[in-house]
Amino acid sequence: AQSVTQPDIHITVSEGASLELRCNYSYGATPYLFWYVQSPGQGLQLLLKYFSGDTLVQGIKGFEAEFKRSQSSFNLRKPSVHWSDAAEYFCAVEAPGTASKLTFGTGTRLQVTL
Amino acid sequence: KAGVTQTPRYLIKTRGQQVTLSCSPISGHRSVSWYQQTPGQGLQFLFEYFSETQRNKGNFPGRFSGRQFSNSRSEMNVSTLELGDSALYLCAGASGEFTDTQYFGPGTRLTVL
Repeated sequence: AQSVTQPDIHITVSEGASLELRCNYSYGATPYLFWYVQSPGQGLQLLLKYFSGDTLVQGIKGFEAEFKRSQSSFNLRKPSVHWSDAAEYFCAVEAPGTASKLTFGTGTRLQVTL
Repeated sequence: KAGVTQTPRYLIKTRGQQVTLSCSPISGHRSVSWYQQTPGQGLQFLFEYFSETQRNKGNFPGRFSGRQFSNSRSEMNVSTLELGDSALYLCAGASGEFTDTQYFGPGTRLTVL
């Protein structure tokens, strides 16, 4: 079975600073990979996804993620964080062929200081 | 397009009762998945329905059940509620294709007293 590790429970960055959120997965092959964001009391919004192809994926709100097969990682990055980016971020994997069954990491809470 | 809708948004029940939650996916989407989110266990997959059939199932007891209707709307039922069932229940809709994306609703916050 697949699993996802987000090693950072909580990260604080200053507005305008760069951001990298870590995600490592465990799966026998290359899974489908996702990053979702959740604001307090809200559902999950998809930021970006990787199925195959180019390992650098662009998403919404200026986010990008890079798939590194050798490191089993799919880290999320943003060059300049805005105060509105404060939220909880979830990395998720899906085993190909198991449609609509996501396995989530424990999440990283991002705090942005002004 | 209207987004994924979930009703009710908030619910308070007592132990031993049962509850039914509803989810309507985006028009045209035929797959609905359900997830439970708790502070202790995080986000966990409950089950997925596609074209009125359960296609995937997570590791939850039989007290958790679901169904899907011909218009793709889905209901989730929890019987004999326990305190530990207090959670945010999220549903997600998708086309059902294997490389599709899930779109989440705002969730139903269930509190069991």
